[in-house]
Amino acid sequence: RKEVEQDPGPFNVPEGATVAFNCTYSNSASQSFFWYRQDCRKEPKLLMSVYSSGNEDGRFTAQLNRASQYISLLIRDSKLSDSATYLCVVNFGNEKLTFGTGTRLTIIP
Amino acid sequence: ETGVTQTPRHLVMGMTNKKSLKCEQHLGHNAMYWYKQSAKKPLELMFVYNFKEQTENNSVPSRFSPECPNSSHLFLHLHTLQPEDSALYLCASSTSPSGAYGYTFGSGTRLTVV
Repeated sequence: RKEVEQDPGPFNVPEGATVAFNCTYSNSASQSFFWYRQDCRKEPKLLMSVYSSGNEDGRFTAQLNRASQYISLLIRDSKLSDSATYLCVVNFGNEKLTFGTGTRLTIIP
Repeated sequence: ETGVTQTPRHLVMGMTNKKSLKCEQHLGHNAMYWYKQSAKKPLELMFVYNFKEQTENNSVPSRFSPECPNSSHLFLHLHTLQPEDSALYLCASSTSPSGAYGYTFGSGTRLTVV
């Protein structure tokens, strides 16, 4: 089983729709969780950290479910500029971050 | 604009060449990392430096040789590479070696080995 697993997509979603991604991780002792965004041929950029209580940043909501070992990202009222690859990232408490393969999202006008 | 600067942005090299990638961070971070990103694969950690000491070598072939002269600079020396080494090489830094606060990435060096 992969340490961090994501559906690679692609997800093709009409503008204005709501879209959600899940990510599962293998180690129940994982300590911190993030969503990164990577645009085509660019570097990954931190989108948001994921906290146990769940957190929201504008149109983006992240949730953590430790019991089932998954995190989720919800994007409401999607914009064309949301088109990107979304990377699920986990700190397993071993001085490094482990990345998923990413979920590719395309917002369609 | 990023606080982590990588040069060159693009590099084409032959299998017998020697080249170096450079990374510089202006964020006051203590930890620096080299990652490799190949098509359709997750980012692969190569090396970790914490306070300029190497703390992890993720079974990387010896044709990749890192150097960290101080906490702000990181190099990746390349020699006798193979075509399968063609990839995007990303440098990152973080305030905490545990990565608990996430990483800041440079723009990467897109390497093509011919």
